Amino acid sequence: SQKIEQNSEALNIQEGKTATLTCNYTNYSPAYLQWYRQDPGRGPVFLLLIRENEKEKRKERLKVTFDTTLKQSLFHITASQPADSATYLCALDSASKIIFGSGTRLSIRP
Amino acid sequence: DAGVIQSPRHEVTEMGQEVTLRCKPISGHDYLFWYRQTMMRGLELLIYFNNNVPIDDSGMPEDRFSAKMPNASFSTLKIQPSEPRDSAVYFCASSLYATPAFFGQGTRLTVV
Repeated sequence: SQKIEQNSEALNIQEGKTATLTCNYTNYSPAYLQWYRQDPGRGPVFLLLIRENEKEKRKERLKVTFDTTLKQSLFHITASQPADSATYLCALDSASKIIFGSGTRLSIRP
Repeated sequence: DAGVIQSPRHEVTEMGQEVTLRCKPISGHDYLFWYRQTMMRGLELLIYFNNNVPIDDSGMPEDRFSAKMPNASFSTLKIQPSEPRDSAVYFCASSLYATPAFFGQGTRLTVV
């Protein structure tokens, strides 16, 4: 069956450290993978998109990698701040549909 | 643009009543998605439209759910009759060329 798994339901790290979130998928062949941020009571907000032919993409303190052999994407936040605390969702495309993982709740403690 | 606009933000209704959720997508976007989010099941795609035409409604849980998009600037999701297990946050999202998706603030539905 098709699955998108975000391996950690919750992640707690110290401010200033790098947060690394994992997204694995099975039985999909996405052309691209996306990461979204969701704050309580709000809709998900798009952060980054990485295509299947791209290994890595960066945006300010964010970095995403995409390994189509391992069927895995890693999402890094460097120099993390308490304001980065939120739920992060990975998503991939499947025949024009955008399918989401269950999310990882990230908490950055001061 | 004001982004994707959903109404109402909160809806409390009694079991058996009809519920209609509304969405105004971002102008110019050609895809519109309806999602449902619960703690147990996460963010589930219910249905999506391309150029106002329903393309895939395989995520619609039952015949009690229906969605329409009469024009490029308006869509509705209707539940009739509503049941307590329909309680969730319903999101509408729109996009250009299918991705990425821009979400509305959601409608929190409570069926008692």
